[in-house]
Amino acid sequence: DAGVIQSPRHEVTEMGQEVTLRCKPISGHNSLFWYRQTMMRGLELLIYFNNNVPIDDSGMPEDRFSAKMPNASFSTLKIQPSEPRDSAVYFCASSVRVGGTEAFFGQGTRLTVV
Amino acid sequence: QQQVKQSPQSLIVQKGGISIINCAYENTAFDYFPWYQQFPGKGPALLIAIRPDVSEKKEGRFTISFNKSAKQFSLHIMDSQPGDSATYFCAASMSDYKLSFGAGTTVTVRA
Repeated sequence: DAGVIQSPRHEVTEMGQEVTLRCKPISGHNSLFWYRQTMMRGLELLIYFNNNVPIDDSGMPEDRFSAKMPNASFSTLKIQPSEPRDSAVYFCASSVRVGGTEAFFGQGTRLTVV
Repeated sequence: QQQVKQSPQSLIVQKGGISIINCAYENTAFDYFPWYQQFPGKGPALLIAIRPDVSEKKEGRFTISFNKSAKQFSLHIMDSQPGDSATYFCAASMSDYKLSFGAGTTVTVRA
């Protein structure tokens, strides 16, 4: 198995632009998570899907952030409009278990908003 | 606020030495305690995990010690190797839901 696949690996964008991050979970995993990692705040859970349905989005920082999971093999995290403080590494993770124990992480997308 | 407090922030150990990382939690409903290892430029990877019905779990050179009454758990890396140099995160969740991560410990193993 190729593991959790994220794209792009790096993204540099100008403030105000729309950014879309993509994730392909491990086949057969029915839980998917988006995390954000920064030096100041560490690893933060943004949103959790189970069977393609958003279960908990309490970590989404504000309305500029949105996430979708149209099918079991694809999810997107969109930031519109982007701001410099959104600069971080964004990880997607998937788990065969409900809730996220034994979660497998992708390699992350390093986002820089200038 | 951080639900899991991790220390130290960083540590340096000589090759062959023991690395010890400690974590403490407040929520007694937590029932799953994993440790993740992260190398630069990579995502965190599950290393070892424990549930509160046991006090210790060992996998190779990695051991988790768990003290339920003190609400603390720790990771011991025995015979530390340069390849163990990474950032280690403790985490906790309840009812297999929503991991809360510690702030991370950067371990450097000197040859």
